[in-house]
Amino acid sequence: ETGVTQTPRHLVMGMTNKKSLKCEQHLGHNAMYWYKQSAKKPLELMFVYNFKEQTENNSVPSRFSPECPNSSHLFLHLHTLQPEDSALYLCASSLKSGIESYEQYFGPGTRLTVT
Amino acid sequence: AQSVTQLDSHVSVSEGTPVLLRCNYSSSYSPSLFWYVQHPNKGLQLLLKYTSAATLVKGINGFEAEFKKSETSFHLTKPSAHMSDAAEYFCVVGSYGNKLVFGAGTILRVKS
Repeated sequence: ETGVTQTPRHLVMGMTNKKSLKCEQHLGHNAMYWYKQSAKKPLELMFVYNFKEQTENNSVPSRFSPECPNSSHLFLHLHTLQPEDSALYLCASSLKSGIESYEQYFGPGTRLTVT
Repeated sequence: AQSVTQLDSHVSVSEGTPVLLRCNYSSSYSPSLFWYVQHPNKGLQLLLKYTSAATLVKGINGFEAEFKKSETSFHLTKPSAHMSDAAEYFCVVGSYGNKLVFGAGTILRVKS
């Protein structure tokens, strides 16, 4: 068990719906990440939070809105998504984010299907 | 810029035979390198990491990887494959700001 949990594990939503993905880490880490994993494509970094501050937005469309209320919780709010947004969304955490590369620990992911 | 190339998209081995998954990296400075594994419908699990200590890195489940600077390689090996090793494996290089750059992945199939 990695110590990073994600809910829900599966989500089906229409293009006009609003939903949120939740991630929680129990590792005492200070950095959290959202990734998108689509079929046949490398893992894409979406957002990075370090000590609750967003430090990276990798040109993600505004229909994805992250929120990090504290170092243990990370949300991804979804609205007016497109079918091409269907993917596995992975959350990860690491000790912190900085010059060095710390290993990241991943949750099991949320399988999102946009209809 | 950091990048990784996984040389094989699919590798098939028989149970009990050695595993070799190949990875080459490109880095403008001394890299941090990782191997992750992803079983079907699961998240990614860290197998091992290299951070400039020993060049031969031992990981979980009998896997190890050797950092070869002259060849810019970080190949993953295991002496004897087990059915439970069937999964997708990702070679990863660390970048500034703790951004991880993932390879495209290698799917390992283990035949009985």
